[in-house]
Amino acid sequence: DAGITQSPRHKVTETGTPVTLRCHQTENHRYMYWYRQDPGHGLRLIHYSYGVKDTDKGEVSDGYSVSRSKTEDFLLTLESATSSQTSVYFCAISRDRGTEAFFGQGTRLTVV
Amino acid sequence: GQQLNQSPQSMFIQEGEDVSMNCTSSSIFNTWLWYKQDPGEGPVLLIALYKAGELTSNGRLTAQFGITRKDSFLNISASIPSDVGIYFCAGQLASGTYKYIFGTGTRLKVLA
Repeated sequence: DAGITQSPRHKVTETGTPVTLRCHQTENHRYMYWYRQDPGHGLRLIHYSYGVKDTDKGEVSDGYSVSRSKTEDFLLTLESATSSQTSVYFCAISRDRGTEAFFGQGTRLTVV
Repeated sequence: GQQLNQSPQSMFIQEGEDVSMNCTSSSIFNTWLWYKQDPGEGPVLLIALYKAGELTSNGRLTAQFGITRKDSFLNISASIPSDVGIYFCAGQLASGTYKYIFGTGTRLKVLA
């Protein structure tokens, strides 16, 4: 299994609070991605990173920010959580552009 | 944004039968990936395809990169109960981005 750890695995938070999810990899892969998975929508890209401090938006980036200060960590922050952000969040990594992408185990976030 | 049309959405089959599913798009892709996801887990990579026309096998699974580069197919031969799950295709566009786009998944149920 690819060395990807997501934390926390489960979180319940209140509307309006900030939340940070962490993705940690031990593979030294250049590319890291954050997806959310919702019934009927499949996996949708939130943000991605193509190197340290190099990030870009995906298709559902509103309300989310990311940071990558070192190769192994990619943080996803919900600046002010809303109920519509209740979802399962997956981190993925890939060694290079166009190569296989490997997923973490996911974080189930509930915003009440 | 770009979409991948994955079909069928779900299927019930008898143990021992062969299964086929596909993903199509109006866009051209450089890479196709096929994943399986079990409940509560992250997607697990099954097969990666990098060239138009490429046919790749992984045990009872065979996938093909369509010649037009706009589609891909996954076949499962002699299905068994543990094949139950959701299968996703993912493609990386040829248009110079680092993003993978996912299909909405095929839910497979195998009747023993």
